[in-house]
Amino acid sequence: GAVVSQHPSWVICKSGTSVKIECRSLDFQATTMFWYRQFPKQSLMLMATSNEGSKATYEQGVEKDKFLINHASLTLSTLTVTSAHPEDSSFYICSASGTDRGSGELFFGEGSRLTVL
Amino acid sequence: LAKTTQPISMDSYEGQEVNITCSHNNIATNDYITWYQQFPSQGPRFIIQGYKTKVTNEVASLFIPADRKSSTLSLPRVSLSDTAVYYCLVGDRGYQKVTFGTGTKLQVIP
Repeated sequence: GAVVSQHPSWVICKSGTSVKIECRSLDFQATTMFWYRQFPKQSLMLMATSNEGSKATYEQGVEKDKFLINHASLTLSTLTVTSAHPEDSSFYICSASGTDRGSGELFFGEGSRLTVL
Repeated sequence: LAKTTQPISMDSYEGQEVNITCSHNNIATNDYITWYQQFPSQGPRFIIQGYKTKVTNEVASLFIPADRKSSTLSLPRVSLSDTAVYYCLVGDRGYQKVTFGTGTKLQVIP
């Protein structure tokens, strides 16, 4: 079964609104989670590294004020797309480090498809 | 972060063995090689991980030469359900911040 779960799996919103996506590690505590964005027919692009109890580390070119990341507990990280616009429409995927679970693999969520009208 | 290069796409008939090679010339000493499978509108799924030589599990084999500058994912007897994008990732097993390359889109033909 899934060890990392995302919610919602899809969301449609109006331009200018904010959308929150949750990423939960189900059976282990994840000190580090990663957020990716994937456009159609493209690869996953790392957006930021979410660290429990501290500020997220953003990749170059990713606006931290646009994509707010909160990792308030060891099982939950959230990504909030603020003032969403149509160009933010994408597939957002989170992953949790398997190190905390005693594994060498990354565990990925099912993904959340955001459509901004 | 080590960069990876894979073929953009591959076609294979059902029942054949498929080998997908990935180049990672600047792999670091602490880096492991991990392969993931992704179906449309789903998150990637772990297939196999290795450091050197050969690793085999119930779904695939991973071949890594001594210089570790490349690796080959081998899928035995593919079926239509193996049609997906396959990503080769290289990274530190402990920290696990990795960068995705282009991936290889495998199309299995009946």
